Amino acid sequence: DGGITQSPKYLFRKEGQNVTLSCEQNLNHDAMYWYRQDPGQGLRLIYYSQIVNDFQKGDIAEGYSVSREKKESFPLTVTSAQKNPTAFYLCASSIGMAGGDTQYFGPGTRLTVL
Amino acid sequence: GNSVTQMEGPVTLSEEAFLTINCTYTATGYPSLFWYVQYPGEGLQLLLKATKADDKGSNKGFEATYRKETTSFHLEKGSVQVSDSAVYFCALSAKAAGNKLTFGGGTRVLVKP
Repeated sequence: DGGITQSPKYLFRKEGQNVTLSCEQNLNHDAMYWYRQDPGQGLRLIYYSQIVNDFQKGDIAEGYSVSREKKESFPLTVTSAQKNPTAFYLCASSIGMAGGDTQYFGPGTRLTVL
Repeated sequence: GNSVTQMEGPVTLSEEAFLTINCTYTATGYPSLFWYVQYPGEGLQLLLKATKADDKGSNKGFEATYRKETTSFHLEKGSVQVSDSAVYFCALSAKAAGNKLTFGGGTRVLVKP
């Protein structure tokens, strides 16, 4: 089955530690995205990538970093510089970034800072 | 910039009731419009979309019509079921913003038997 996988489902981190969230897709999509969702709120874009070896900052990139070394993978690192990292993180992908292209979402990773 | 405004929830309904969730938007040009649904503890799933004015998107009994004159994309379902309990997000993508998605805040719907 084609789709997007995120791991782990739940992640706990101590303050001051970096942590990396995994996102893999087998849909052969060029574009990938990371969003953050806080309780009772909509999604905010952290980073996105239109093609391998290229990525751009979204609306709330501070304290996060990404890489796109393979088409299938777009890992997100939450660094110790992110002041309030506890949130639900969602990865998505789309064929491209043309108008109307549908983004498909993974199941999410819930990060809690202890 | 682009923005999406949708009615705040929670919306509580009885089974078989009619559901409407209002969504209005602000965008430059002619955006594409989407409704996504999120079940508890899960990611988002595309429910329906419309890419030009007067288009109607439909799926699983849900419908929404792209109204450019009122900049709206209201979601409707004629007879809801308990399984429709979820959070619904309205979103747009606009060429001027690189076709990135802009989301509304979400509307929680609870359907009681």
